[in-house]
Amino acid sequence: NAGVTQTPKFQVLKTGQSMTLQCAQDMNHEYMSWYRQDPGMGLRLIHYSVGAGITDQGEVPNGYNVSRSTTEDFPLRLLSAAPSQTSVYFCASGRGVTEAFFGQGTRLTVV
Amino acid sequence: AQSVTQLGSHVSVSEGALVLLRCNYSSSVPPYLFWYVQYPNQGLQLLLKYTTGATLVKGINGFEAEFKKSETSFHLTKPSAHMSDAAEYFCAVRKGGANSKLTFGKGITLSVRP
Repeated sequence: NAGVTQTPKFQVLKTGQSMTLQCAQDMNHEYMSWYRQDPGMGLRLIHYSVGAGITDQGEVPNGYNVSRSTTEDFPLRLLSAAPSQTSVYFCASGRGVTEAFFGQGTRLTVV
Repeated sequence: AQSVTQLGSHVSVSEGALVLLRCNYSSSVPPYLFWYVQYPNQGLQLLLKYTTGATLVKGINGFEAEFKKSETSFHLTKPSAHMSDAAEYFCAVRKGGANSKLTFGKGITLSVRP
C-alpha cells in the first residue's frame, strides 16, 4: 500500500494563478482532510470529507475548494493564489475514530 | 473556543531527563485524543492515541500519555529523553464521534541537550 500520496511536493505560483493539489489514498478510508501548516500556528483544517460526495469546511476554508467524487481522491483547488496561501499543505485520511494518516506534504510558495 | 491548548512553544531538556509536554482540551462529549510527532521536512507520525478503555496509553519510542477527564488533560511523557526525540509534537482531538474532524494544537518544539 502506498498510504496517502500527495503531489506535487513543491510548487511555486504567481499571484492570481490557480492550481490543484492532489491527494490520493489506497486504504479505503471514509475520512479525508486538508490542513495547512504555518510557523507558530500548528495545523489548521481547511476542508474535510466524511465520504464520497460529502465535504465540509474547516477553520480556514476561504480561497480553497474541494470535491470528493471518489473514496480515493480528495483534490484541493486554489482558485486565485495569494501570497497568504504560502504554506505547507498536508492531506490526511482515516476511518471512524482512528488516527489520521498523513501524506508527506506539499510546500507551496506564492510570489 | 480553542479545542486543544498546548502551553508554550518550545521545551528544552537534557539527554536522559524527563520529557513532559502538556495538552489540555475542551470538549462536551467524550473526546478521542492523539499525539503526533513531526521530524524536520516530514509529515506527521502517530505517537499514541486514546479512544476508550485504559486511560494510560503507551506509544512508540517510549512515550506515554494519560487521559485525565477531571483535568481535561492528555499530557505526553517519556522518562528519559534521547537526542533523537528532538522534533515538533502536536496534540490533537477528535470530538463528536466517528469521522468527526480532527483539530490540532499549535505544537511544541522539543530540543534535547547533550
